[in-house]
Amino acid sequence: NAGVMQNPRHLVRRRGQEARLRCSPMKGHSHVYWYRQLPEEGLKFMVYLQKENIIDESGMPKERFSAEFPKEGPSILRIQQVVRGDSAAYFCASSPAGVTDTQYFGPGTRLTVL
Amino acid sequence: KQEVTQIPAALSVPEGENLVLNCSFTDSAIYNLQWFRQDPGKGLTSLLLIQSSQREQTSGRLNASLDKSSGRSTLYIAASQPGDSATYLCAVKPQGGSEKLVFGKGTKLTVNP
Repeated sequence: NAGVMQNPRHLVRRRGQEARLRCSPMKGHSHVYWYRQLPEEGLKFMVYLQKENIIDESGMPKERFSAEFPKEGPSILRIQQVVRGDSAAYFCASSPAGVTDTQYFGPGTRLTVL
Repeated sequence: KQEVTQIPAALSVPEGENLVLNCSFTDSAIYNLQWFRQDPGKGLTSLLLIQSSQREQTSGRLNASLDKSSGRSTLYIAASQPGDSATYLCAVKPQGGSEKLVFGKGTKLTVNP
């Protein structure tokens, strides 16, 4: 049973470009969470999604950031018009429906903005 | 607002030593507390999960305790090994209906052979 998969593992973008980060949850998991880890900082919650629904986006920046988890396919975290301050590691986690105590984390996507 | 603090930020010990990592949180209204391990360039691996009604959890050489009323948790590692070298993260799940985890910045542990 494959774990949480994230791609790409490393992403380099120039300022002003768009970044798309993908997360495939573990098989059978319908809850997805995105966290961001800035250099020398702890992980910060961004958004919690279930299939086709955003449940909690209290940690998402108000502008340029969006997330989706469609009925089919991976969850996508989209960052428009990236700036240097967006450089960070972005982690996705998943959990099964009704069992949210343990979140299983993916390896992360390391975004570098030049 | 829940805040999680981990002390020390970094720790270097010789192999075989027993050690304690500390975690404190500002709001005692939590569902559970979890300790993770993060290796460089890798994701997080859950080590121990303590429910708010529990006092401690053990797994192999690891023991985690929780004192919810004082807002403290410790992770005890017995007979440390070089393979234990990693960053250890503490996270709490606050009460209030949210599923998000609130993390500390971590303790970077180096075990020297």
